[in-house]
Amino acid sequence: DSGVTQTPKHLITATGQRVTLRCSPRSGDLSVYWYQQSLDQGLQFLIQYYNGEERAKGNILERFSAQQFPDLHSELNLSSLELGDSALYFCASSVGGRDRGETQYFGPGTRLLVL
Amino acid sequence: DAKTTQPPSMDCAEGRAANLPCNHSTISGNEYVYWYRQIHSQGPQYIIHGLKNNETNEMASLIITEDRKSSTLILPHATLRDTAVYYCIVRVGNAGNMLTFGGGTRLMVKP
Repeated sequence: DSGVTQTPKHLITATGQRVTLRCSPRSGDLSVYWYQQSLDQGLQFLIQYYNGEERAKGNILERFSAQQFPDLHSELNLSSLELGDSALYFCASSVGGRDRGETQYFGPGTRLLVL
Repeated sequence: DAKTTQPPSMDCAEGRAANLPCNHSTISGNEYVYWYRQIHSQGPQYIIHGLKNNETNEMASLIITEDRKSSTLILPHATLRDTAVYYCIVRVGNAGNMLTFGGGTRLMVKP
């Protein structure tokens, strides 16, 4: 158990809909990262938040957005869903300091199926 | 981040050591070597990381060559539960860097 929690575990929805995925980082971690894993693309970084502010952006679609709240949990919002958005979505967290060799710890993921 | 090259798949007999290689010939002086594994569709699990020296923890050992252009992850006594995809990643170790996952090595531990 990494200490990172994600809800829900599974989500089934229809095209055009909007969903919200939730992540609670490990106690004390300030950084949250979101990754997407689809069958054809592998694991890809989407976005990072550090202490409530966006820190880095990867291959995140404009239909997707995220935020990190004062209690440090994070939500990933996916809208106007398409079939191709079906994937595993992972959240990871790290301490978020400036120490070198920092490690990210991953949650169990949310499996999204768009029908 | 430096690019890594790993064999797509490997087999290992249960109880034997599994040695997973990784080439990272373009690694920079301040880039760490990280290893993660993903068992089936679970979240990636951190295994070990290192900069220059060899490292060992309760899960594995990491051997980094002197020129740092390659490394080997060693699982000393592989079990069936070690069957997974193993990812070698090189990155600068600070909070601002995401992990870039390649294809990894699919390790199959056989009885």
